[in-house]
Amino acid sequence: DSGVTQTPKHLITATGQRVTLRCSPRSGDLSVYWYQQSLDQGLQFLIQYYNGEERAKGNILERFSAQQFPDLHSELNLSSLELGDSALYFCASSALQGFQETQYFGPGTRLLVL
Amino acid sequence: QKEVEQDPGPLSVPEGAIVSLNCTYSNSAFQYFMWYRQYSRKGPELLMYTYSSGNKEDGRFTAQVDKSSKYISLFIRDSQPSDSATYLCAMKASTGNQFYFGTGTSLTVIP
Repeated sequence: DSGVTQTPKHLITATGQRVTLRCSPRSGDLSVYWYQQSLDQGLQFLIQYYNGEERAKGNILERFSAQQFPDLHSELNLSSLELGDSALYFCASSALQGFQETQYFGPGTRLLVL
Repeated sequence: QKEVEQDPGPLSVPEGAIVSLNCTYSNSAFQYFMWYRQYSRKGPELLMYTYSSGNKEDGRFTAQVDKSSKYISLFIRDSQPSDSATYLCAMKASTGNQFYFGTGTSLTVIP
């Protein structure tokens, strides 16, 4: 158990809908990263938040947005869903191991868009 | 060219074999290197992390970094069926916030 929690574990929805994925980082970690993993693409970095502020953006679509709240949990909002959005969505929180930053991943949310 | 290249395999070895997993990268600014193990439908699990060049050993696992060749390796000794998983390499520069992942190598250890 990495200490990172994600809900829900599974989500089935229809095209055009909107969903919200939730992540709670490990206790004490200020940084949250969101990733999308599909079979043919590997882990794709979407966005990073640090202590409530957006720090870095990756290949995140305009239909997707995220935020990090004062209690440090984060939400990833996916709207106008398309079939191609079906994937595993992971969040990770990062910590310093000595002077090295490492990431700890949650169990993921499996999204299926029908 | 991708930042990180990793042979997807699949790799199939007999139990007890030594496994070598590798990644190459193009960004000479990468300083932090990590290996993750991912079981099917689960979140990636941090296995090893190293800084800059050199070797690091933890039980049956050894991570090596060769910055001059932009090449990192993970060795698994006395491989076990429970090692069957996808192994992802990841790296990060000392500046910047993004982690860069390989696509993963699928490993099967046959009893």
